[in-house]
Amino acid sequence: GAVVSQHPSWVICKSGTSVKIECRSLDFQATTMFWYRQFPKQSLMLMATSNEGSKATYEQGVEKDKFLINHASLTLSTLTVTSAHPEDSSFYICSAGSADPLNYGYTFGSGTRLTVV
Amino acid sequence: GENVEQHPSTLSVQEGDSAVIKCTYSDSASNYFPWYKQELGKGPQLIIDIRSNVGEKKDQRIAVTLNKTAKHFSLHITETQPEDSAVYFCAAPVVLASYDKVIFGPGTSLSVIP
Repeated sequence: GAVVSQHPSWVICKSGTSVKIECRSLDFQATTMFWYRQFPKQSLMLMATSNEGSKATYEQGVEKDKFLINHASLTLSTLTVTSAHPEDSSFYICSAGSADPLNYGYTFGSGTRLTVV
Repeated sequence: GENVEQHPSTLSVQEGDSAVIKCTYSDSASNYFPWYKQELGKGPQLIIDIRSNVGEKKDQRIAVTLNKTAKHFSLHITETQPEDSAVYFCAAPVVLASYDKVIFGPGTSLSVIP
């Protein structure tokens, strides 16, 4: 089945530094990539949606200059948290969407636990 | 606006009993309805999904039913086992011009008591 690889699985960084999270679809072409943030005991909140080769669409309230998303190819998307602060500590999860009618659906990465100290 | 509601928020059942979680959505153009299981510290795992052209789908102990008219779909787990304990999320796509974006329900924490 479809597999999405997300790295790193966890990261601790100092306040003010930037962190990059990678999401790769291993065996299918992801026409759309979604980035979610999840706080403890809460649901997944959509941050932004990106289509390969175009700018990401951010949800209301999400700072696009702080959460930089790049979707350079059909198999790779990255999320960079710039100038991270403790309140950015969260579980970040990517999801890749396939438009292939035989394999339609959304596959999630394993998540990245970000702790900003 | 875009909204996915899910009930109940918590559910405890005895091992062997059935569990039912219900989800309602707002976008009538939604045509794909997945259910995910999330264990602590892990990403969501798809457990079953249904397309809008069918009313029910079953996979062993898990089934999903869809009522497009009422805009709700439900997850049914029969013969529950302790390993079914997890948080379950429903999701529904919001159909936009060039892509669909997936909105999640708030989640249901299921506890199966041995």
